[in-house]
Amino acid sequence: GAVVSQHPSWVICKSGTSVKIECRSLDFQATTMFWYRQFPKQSLMLMATSNEGSKATYEQGVEKDKFLINHASLTLSTLTVTSAHPEDSSFYICSAHSGGAENTQYFGPGTRLTVL
Amino acid sequence: GQNIDQPTEMTATEGAIVQINCTYQTSGFNGLFWYQQHAGEAPTFLSYNVLDGLEEKGRFSSFLSRSKGYSYLLLKELQMKDSASYLCAVMDSNYQLIWGAGTKLIIKP
Repeated sequence: GAVVSQHPSWVICKSGTSVKIECRSLDFQATTMFWYRQFPKQSLMLMATSNEGSKATYEQGVEKDKFLINHASLTLSTLTVTSAHPEDSSFYICSAHSGGAENTQYFGPGTRLTVL
Repeated sequence: GQNIDQPTEMTATEGAIVQINCTYQTSGFNGLFWYQQHAGEAPTFLSYNVLDGLEEKGRFSSFLSRSKGYSYLLLKELQMKDSASYLCAVMDSNYQLIWGAGTKLIIKP
């Protein structure tokens, strides 16, 4: 199957700092990427849909000024958590839509963010 | 509204067979997906059904009935490593995945 990478795998930061998470599709071009967050023992929650070259579409309740998403190329999307607080501590997962006949979302390995 | 239902938890015995059901109501349909997620890890893709019928892939099979809004994931010859959450998701007309809450599968020796 297709490969999606995420960097970093885990990050610990101080409250008030910003953290950038990268999501890359390694062997296919993804016009659409998705960002999810997942709290322990809970299901995935879609945060935003990111389309290459355009502004991201955020789900209700997700602050666009706090979670900045950039999808500059067909293989890279970034999520920046600005002015992070302890309640932002979570598992952030991206997925990339392969499109075509496969029409499948492949997930990155996730980034575990801990804000102290 | 859009809704995906699957059991919260199931228990099965090593070597046995288990069927995890999923029913859905969504706006538009571009396929149904099953993912496996081990604790602390991201989901991994298992199967994709867009036409009615059974898709077999090794020990795992997935079935879809679009008219009934129903799918199941069948796991055969269960192994301890199959203990995980199994997520059912439907891709809607906007190509977004609508997720079920997941079924936690516990395998006992």
